[in-house]
Amino acid sequence: EIVLTQSPGTLSLSPGERANLSCRASQTFFSTLLSWYQQKPGQAPRLLIYGASKRASGVPDRFSGSGSGTDFTLTIVNTEPDDLAVYFCHQFDRSPYTFGQGTKLEIK
Amino acid sequence: EVQMVESGGGLVKPGGSLRLSCAVSGFTFTAYSLNWVRQAPGRGLEWVSSISQSGNHIYYADSVKGRFTISRDNAENSLYLQMSTLRAEDTAVYYCARQNMVRDSHNYYYYYMDVWGTGTTVTVS
Repeated sequence: EIVLTQSPGTLSLSPGERANLSCRASQTFFSTLLSWYQQKPGQAPRLLIYGASKRASGVPDRFSGSGSGTDFTLTIVNTEPDDLAVYFCHQFDRSPYTFGQGTKLEIK
Repeated sequence: EVQMVESGGGLVKPGGSLRLSCAVSGFTFTAYSLNWVRQAPGRGLEWVSSISQSGNHIYYADSVKGRFTISRDNAENSLYLQMSTLRAEDTAVYYCARQNMVRDSHNYYYYYMDVWGTGTTVTVS
């Protein structure tokens, strides 16, 4: 099983600051199978990034993804109050198709 | 409009059974693999099960293997999750999600879940 470990658990930033969210895998896999999801309070998850670095339709360019192998990063620049959410990484390389435990982004 | 709508959640006693449904509209149902993902109260997302377009390839999380059965009715545009021998730890919001696949010019394949339902709540108590 591929274990995805996200850090930090919680990130507290002021509006306009940059957020770097990490997702580390226990085994290497193709970056085309790594995606990031945003879940706002009380809502279903929403696809942000697929293939480690490709923005989904309608996602602002403040959101970007990078990484390969076992280390992946979601970066949010110029954070806004609306970015308050939990962010999850996910892998579709092999079953079980695991999620990271999530990073909660708080906006001060 | 692309839409996925779950139903069938509710309160059930430990050891009981429940069948979840996911009605799909707005896209070609048979072109996509589908997934169930759940979220226990105050917890993260947990992938539960996946079924291929034809239903020939099915996968389960270890936590539900042998107790849950995923299926789909391509004539009815519906996805199902039959849950049996339910436990308290199965209490969660259950989401259905579309698994999209894209192949780029270099023949690399991208897999991701791009459409999600709003969820149905299952409480085992």
